[in-house]
Amino acid sequence: EVLLLESGGGLGQPGGSLRLSCAASGISTFRSYGVTWVRQAPGKGLEWVSSISDSATSTYYADSVKGRFTISRDHSKNTVHLQMNSLRAEDTAVYYCAKALWSSYHFYALDVWGRGTTVIVSS
Amino acid sequence: EIVLTQSPATLSLSPGETATLSCGASQTVSRSYLAWYQQKPGLAPRLLIYDTYNRAADIPDRFSGSGSGTDFTLTISGLEPEDFAVYYCQQYATSPPLTFGGGTKVEIK
Repeated sequence: EVLLLESGGGLGQPGGSLRLSCAASGISTFRSYGVTWVRQAPGKGLEWVSSISDSATSTYYADSVKGRFTISRDHSKNTVHLQMNSLRAEDTAVYYCAKALWSSYHFYALDVWGRGTTVIVSS
Repeated sequence: EIVLTQSPATLSLSPGETATLSCGASQTVSRSYLAWYQQKPGLAPRLLIYDTYNRAADIPDRFSGSGSGTDFTLTISGLEPEDFAVYYCQQYATSPPLTFGGGTKVEIK
């Protein structure tokens, strides 16, 4: 069974930083899949945040986080990271990582999701 | 950017009834690259349908997707108690950005 496990959430100060991680298990070909971060503010819907291609050569960001967040991946550790800088109150949300259904696609339907990690930005 | 509008916002039905959920796109979703997800409180979304019609692994056949262009539908035939949840559509045809609809809550009448 393919599992994704997010970590790194918590309380962040406005203007501060947090680094989220998404670790994959149960899959030897994780490096072949695009990975996406999606967030959900309390009581709200789903919002795309950022995606990274299988090769990590292409990265994409929502306008709301561009210039503040950086996505990366470590193939040796089957892990994807989301570095979150210049945090704002509106970044408060549950952050999910998810993998694309088919390999080699930068964007596709997301078939495996982690349980999410909660980020709260508050002073 | 493709904006997805889901309707209705809330659907009140009884177990055994059929739910029809709509997702309208602000422009054509090419290659039928539209997915549906189910989300229950406190849990991550679960992929139900991809490429408009195709059921994801282990999804019961009471869930079906249809549509093309700018109008898409998720049908749940014979609601089971575990189907009461929030449903989101998502397009991945014109990305970035990936976009999601605002969701439809299917609640017990």
